[in-house]
Amino acid sequence: ETGVTQSPTHLIKTRGQQVTLRCSSQSGHNTVSWYQQALGQGPQFIFQYYREEENGRGNFPPRFSGLQFPNYSSELNVNALELDDSALYLCASSLEPAPQETQYFGPGTRLLVL
Amino acid sequence: AQSVTQLGSHVSVSEGALVLLRCNYSSSVPPYLFWYVQYPNQGLQLLLKYTSAATLVKGINGFEAEFKKSETSFHLTKPSAHMSDAAEYFCAVTPAGTALIFGKGTTLSVSS
Repeated sequence: ETGVTQSPTHLIKTRGQQVTLRCSSQSGHNTVSWYQQALGQGPQFIFQYYREEENGRGNFPPRFSGLQFPNYSSELNVNALELDDSALYLCASSLEPAPQETQYFGPGTRLLVL
Repeated sequence: AQSVTQLGSHVSVSEGALVLLRCNYSSSVPPYLFWYVQYPNQGLQLLLKYTSAATLVKGINGFEAEFKKSETSFHLTKPSAHMSDAAEYFCAVTPAGTALIFGKGTTLSVSS
C-alpha cells in the first residue's frame, strides 16, 4: 500500500511568484488536508478537500487555493508569494472527513521564498 | 476557541529513563486527541489517538497516553527511553471539526 506522497521535495521561489505543490493521497482515502509548518512551530491547518469540494478552511488568505482531482490527489496553489510563506507544507489524507479519523501525512514540500 | 498547550519546548532524558511529554487541551466539546512524532526532515507519524473509548491509550514504539478529563490533559509517556526516540513530538486535537489543531511541539533529546 502506497502512502501519501508529495512533490516536489524542495522548492525555491522569489517574492511575488506563484507556486503549485502536489499531493497523492493514500489508496482508498477520499479526504486531503493541507498544513503549513513554519520553522520551530506546529503545523497550521490551511484547508481540507473531500470528494473534490473544499470542506473547511483555516485562517489563510485567498491567495492560498487548492484543488482535488477525481482520483483524490490534490494541489495547493499559492499566489503572490511572500517571505513569510517559507515553510514546510504538509499534505495529509484520511478515509473520510471525520474528526476521529487518523490523518496520514506525507513527507512535505519545503518552500523557500527569497 | 479550541487549543493545545505543550508544556516544555525541550525535554532531555537519559537512555532508559522515563519519558513524560505534557499536553493540555482546551475544548468546549469532548475532543479527539492525537500524538504525532516528527523525525528530522520528515512528515508526521501517528503515535496514538484518543477517540473516547479507553482513557489509557497504547500506541506504537512503547508509548502510551492517558486522557484525564478533570485535568484536561493527555500526557505522553514511555517507561524507558531509547536513542531512536529523539524527535519532535506534537499533541493535536480535533474538537468537532476536521482540522487538526497542533501544539507548538516538544523536542525530545535522549543521551547515552
